[in-house]
Amino acid sequence: DGGITQSPKYLFRKEGQNVTLSCEQNLNHDAMYWYRQDPGQGLRLIYYSQIVNDFQKGDIAEGYSVSREKKESFPLTVTSAQKNPTAFYLCASTLRGGSQYGYTFGSGTRLTVV
Amino acid sequence: AQSVAQPEDQVNVAEGNPLTVKCTYSVSGNPYLFWYVQYPNRGLQFLLKYITGDNLVKGSYGFEAEFNKSQTSFHLKKPSALVSDSALYFCAVTPTYVGNTGKLIFGQGTTLQVKP
Repeated sequence: DGGITQSPKYLFRKEGQNVTLSCEQNLNHDAMYWYRQDPGQGLRLIYYSQIVNDFQKGDIAEGYSVSREKKESFPLTVTSAQKNPTAFYLCASTLRGGSQYGYTFGSGTRLTVV
Repeated sequence: AQSVAQPEDQVNVAEGNPLTVKCTYSVSGNPYLFWYVQYPNRGLQFLLKYITGDNLVKGSYGFEAEFNKSQTSFHLKKPSALVSDSALYFCAVTPTYVGNTGKLIFGQGTTLQVKP
């Protein structure tokens, strides 16, 4: 079945450590997105990419980095510069950004700092 | 600034009663409108969308929503609530003007609690 796979489901990070969250889709979607979700704050956009080898900062990009080397993959790295990384991270994709198709979401990764 | 508002953090209804989850928006042009549902520790699932045409759209699990252009609203409704409808609901909008970056703009979410 087509869909978006996020891994791992749970991730623990030590202070000062970089970690990478995986997001893979087999929907042949052009655009991909990373959101951070905190209780009571809804979804906040971290980064997005509308085509391969191109990406833009969202509203809260500081302390995060991404790459888009392949159409199906959009990994997110949470760097040590992100001071409060504990959150639920959601990846999404759509056929074309701004289109009537809406987003397809992955099942999320819960990141906890230990 | 473009935005989506869900004025209620939580909506409580009794099972079998009708439910409404409110959403209003402020975007340029004629937007595309969406509702998503999220269960605990899961991703968002698509419920329904309004693109054009009939103002009343029907979606998954018996949900429907009414687009009201004059009031810039897109309220989610269901005639008879189920306990299993208890979840977090998000309204989202994407503007359709030329040059739009294509991002969905999300509301803050409304927790729906259906009591037996």
